[in-house]
Amino acid sequence: QKEVEQNSGPLSVPEGAIASLNCTYSDRGSQSFFWYRQYSGKSPELIMFIYSNGDKEDGRFTAQLNKASQYVSLLIRDSQPSDSATYLCAGARSGSARQLTFGSGTQLTVLP
Amino acid sequence: NAGVTQTPKFQVLKTGQSMTLQCAQDMNHNSMYWYRQDPGMGLRLIYYSASEGTTDKGEVPNGYNVSRLNKREFSLRLESAAPSQTSVYFCASRGGSYNEQFFGPGTRLTVL
Repeated sequence: QKEVEQNSGPLSVPEGAIASLNCTYSDRGSQSFFWYRQYSGKSPELIMFIYSNGDKEDGRFTAQLNKASQYVSLLIRDSQPSDSATYLCAGARSGSARQLTFGSGTQLTVLP
Repeated sequence: NAGVTQTPKFQVLKTGQSMTLQCAQDMNHNSMYWYRQDPGMGLRLIYYSASEGTTDKGEVPNGYNVSRLNKREFSLRLESAAPSQTSVYFCASRGGSYNEQFFGPGTRLTVL
């Protein structure tokens, strides 16, 4: 079992809808979580960071963390075709190097 | 401010050949990382360097070596390339507001 699990998709939503991306993790030592967006053929770029239980909002993006259930999610409101990409969830342990453990990613397609 | 740069962008090797992938960052970050990305596997950590002068193995180190040349540069060497090393390789450095990882553009390596 991978330490960070994501539904690989593909997930398709119509333009303007809410896209919901989910991630579960098995390592209770993971302290904080990152959501990266990766366009096809490009490198990952950070879109959200969360370390406290609850919700964190940034524009159209909301990250949710539930440490008791070991669950992280990303909601994208008013989805746009430009949001079509692969979304990677990553967990970080504390420590000097703060290694990240990545899930395999969820491919999202927003249909015009 | 170029961020994280990688060379080369593309490379084709024959089985048994050697090569070095170069990575440099200009953000004055202490920690640097090498990942490989294969379809459906997400990003897997090969080696990392928590600070200048130190290197440590990640999840998939076999067949690779690294050198942290100075604070800016972190190279990855394949001594005897194998077809199983065909992949996209990303270098990253860690810093920023959330201690997040910033990724280079990647090197697409094919081993025949």
